[in-house]
Formats: sequence, C-alpha cells, structure tokens
Amino acid sequence: DSGVTQTPKHLITATGQRVTLRCSPRSGDLSVYWYQQSLDQGLQFLIQYYNGEERAKGNILERFSAQQFPDLHSELNLSSLELGDSALYFCASSVAPGARELFFGEGSRLTVL
Amino acid sequence: DAKTTQPPSMDCAEGRAANLPCNHSTISGNEYVYWYRQIHSQGPQYIIHGLKNNETNEMASLIITEDRKSSTLILPHATLRDTAVYYCIVRVGHKDDKIIFGKGTRLHILP
Repeated sequence: DSGVTQTPKHLITATGQRVTLRCSPRSGDLSVYWYQQSLDQGLQFLIQYYNGEERAKGNILERFSAQQFPDLHSELNLSSLELGDSALYFCASSVAPGARELFFGEGSRLTVL
Repeated sequence: DAKTTQPPSMDCAEGRAANLPCNHSTISGNEYVYWYRQIHSQGPQYIIHGLKNNETNEMASLIITEDRKSSTLILPHATLRDTAVYYCIVRVGHKDDKIIFGKGTRLHILP
C-alpha cells in the first residue's frame, strides 16, 4: 500500500460525458502528479501540482483539467469523453517537486463506450 | 521525451540474476539514473537511483558505467514476483518536477 488513494477504481461511461477522478496523496506529501496509461501510449505524464499550484504540464488535452485543493487532494476532470480516453489514470504523490521517489496509487480504470 | 533506450523484453530463469540494461548516451552531468517497475496494471514502484557510483539496496543493485552512458539494473535472485515492466529514467538531480517514462523492458521470470 503506497498510501495514495484513488477513486473510483473503475468507471464506465459513454462518449461525450464528463467524469471526475479523485486522488488523496500520502500524508505529508505536497506534490501530486497525474499520468495516463493506455495500451498504445504507455505512461504519459499529464500534470503536476505542488501545494495547490500547477508546477508542470505534460501531454494533457484541453478537454482535461485538474486542480489541487487546500487539503491537498486532487481531482482530474475529463470532459467530452472520446473512445480513445479509455485508459488507466494514475495519481502519484511526493514530498515536494523533484523528490527522489514518487508513490503511485492503484489507478482509476476508465472505459468509454 | 524519454532519454533512455531499453530492450523491449527479456527473459530470466527464476533464482538467477536478472540484468536489465539501459542506454542513456546523452545524459548530462547533473542527471541521475532512476529505475521504477510496474507490475501488471499496478502503479509504478521506485526501485533505486544513482548518479555515478554503483548503488545497492534491498531490492536491487545499480551499476553505472564510468562514462555514465549506460547502466544495468541487477535483481540478484529473481522470483516470479519480479515479472514486471522496468523503466529506466534520467532526470536532473532533485530539481526536476516530473518523471517521464519510456516504454521500458518487460521482464519475464521463467519458473
């Protein structure tokens, strides 16, 4: 158990819909990272937050947005969903940006039908 | 983009040492070599990291060549539970804000 909690574990929805994925970091960690993993793209870095502020952005689509709240939990919002958005979405946390180790949650599996 | 090159897959017999190579010929002087692994559909897990000296912990050993252009992760006595995708990553010291994963090496431990 990494200490990072992600909900929901599984989610099935239809194209055009909007979903929210939630992540609670390890106690004491201030940085949260989001990754997308699909079969053909591997692990893709989406975005990183530190203490509520966006710190780094990767290959995140405009239809996707994220935020980190004052209690340090984070949410990833995916809208206008397409079939290709079906993937495992991982959240990770670390003490601070550039910390040696990222701790990953178990992921949220999104299926878009 | 990932700055490392790894073989897509490898096999290793259970109980033997698994040696996973990684090329990082464009590594800069202030970049560390990190290894993570991902067991099927689980989140990646940190294994080890190093700058230029060889490193060892309870999970593995990391051997970095003198010119730092390549490294080898060694799992000394592989078990079936070591079957996973292993990612070699380079990142700048402790100032980098993100970890970029490449395609990794899929290691199969054979009984």
